[in-house]
This record gives sequence, structure tokens and C-alpha cells, in this order.
Amino acid sequence: DGGITQSPKYLFRKEGQNVTLSCEQNLNHDAMYWYRQDPGQGLRLIYYSQIVNDFQKGDIAEGYSVSREKKESFPLTVTSAQKNPTAFYLCASSTAGFNTGELFFGEGSRLTVL
Amino acid sequence: EDQVTQSPEALRLQEGESSSLNCSYTVSGLRGLFWYRQDPGKGPEFLFTLYSAGEEKEKERLKATLTKKESFLHITAPKPEDSATYLCAVQAWQAGTALIFGKGTTLSVSS
Repeated sequence: DGGITQSPKYLFRKEGQNVTLSCEQNLNHDAMYWYRQDPGQGLRLIYYSQIVNDFQKGDIAEGYSVSREKKESFPLTVTSAQKNPTAFYLCASSTAGFNTGELFFGEGSRLTVL
Repeated sequence: EDQVTQSPEALRLQEGESSSLNCSYTVSGLRGLFWYRQDPGKGPEFLFTLYSAGEEKEKERLKATLTKKESFLHITAPKPEDSATYLCAVQAWQAGTALIFGKGTTLSVSS
């Protein structure tokens, strides 16, 4: 079945450590996205990529980094520079073109900083 | 500044009690308005896309409508399995592909 796989589902990190969240899709979608969701807040865009080897910053990119070396993969690294990293992270993908607002989301990764 | 406001924040209904969720938006040049459903601890699931004022979309007990300033998600005779958080998002032409999400309305339907 086609879909988006995020791992790990739960992750605990000590302050000062970098962590990488995995996102893989087999939908053959060109565009991929990372969102952050905090309680009582809307989804906020961290980074997005429309093609391989290219990505753009979203509204809250500070303290995060991404890569897009393969069409299927869009990993997110939460660096020690991110001041408040505890959150629910969602990866999504979409086709290119007019319907790019119809996003397919993964199950999410919940990061807790101890 | 483009923004999306959803109301109410939370809504409790009895099974079979119809109601509506509101999504008010401010965007310079609407490319599309999107509704998603999110279950606790899960990623959002796409429901509808609306492109122009007057457009309506239906799926089972849900109907989405769009005006120039807001969208409504009407829920007819809801069932407990309709309980979820409903998210509204807009996409503006000049913002490229980026969606702007509202904070959502959490719907609880009791039997």
C-alpha cells in the first residue's frame, strides 16, 4: 500500500543533542513537507521541498535542517539550536501542480526533550 | 497577513444533533481552501478542497461550503465515530504551495 512512513513514533532527547526524524514515501510524490504541531496551535511549516536536491524554509525553520537526496526521502534534523523542540512532528507529501494543497500525512513523530 | 480562524475551539454534540464548524480566512488571492480530519495522535486526513465562492462538496455526513470570507463544515446527524479535530487550511496564489492552517475545532459526539 502506498503511503508515508515516519520513524520513530516516539523519541526522547537530552538537551544539547541533535536528533533526526525519518520520512519515507512511496506515493511517487514530488513535494514533501515537515510541519510542527503544538497543543492548541495550528500546524506550522518548518521546511518543504518540491524537487530532489532543493528545499525551502517555512515559517519556523530556525534550529532545523533537512535534506532531499532522493525523491522518496525527506529527513528532518532537530538541532541543539532549536530552543523548544518538544512537539509533534508531521511529514506530508503531495503531487506537484494545481492540487498541491491535498496533502498526505504520515502518522507523526512525537519528540520529547528531557 | 494571511490567516485562518476556526470556531468554536471545541464542540460537544449528541448523536444525531446536526451542527456547523466555521473557518474564517483572510488571504490575498485564494488558491484553495482545504478541510482535514485529525484523530488523536495521528496525522491529518484530507477531506475536501474548495476553490471558489458558492462551491460545495459532500462526503457521507459532511458537507463543506465556501464564501468569499469563510467556509463551513456542516455535520448532519453525527455519529460517535465523527469525533475528531477538524482542521481548515488555505493556500494563497502568491505563497506557492504553502498551506496556512487554523488551530482546529475538536468535535466530540456522544451516544
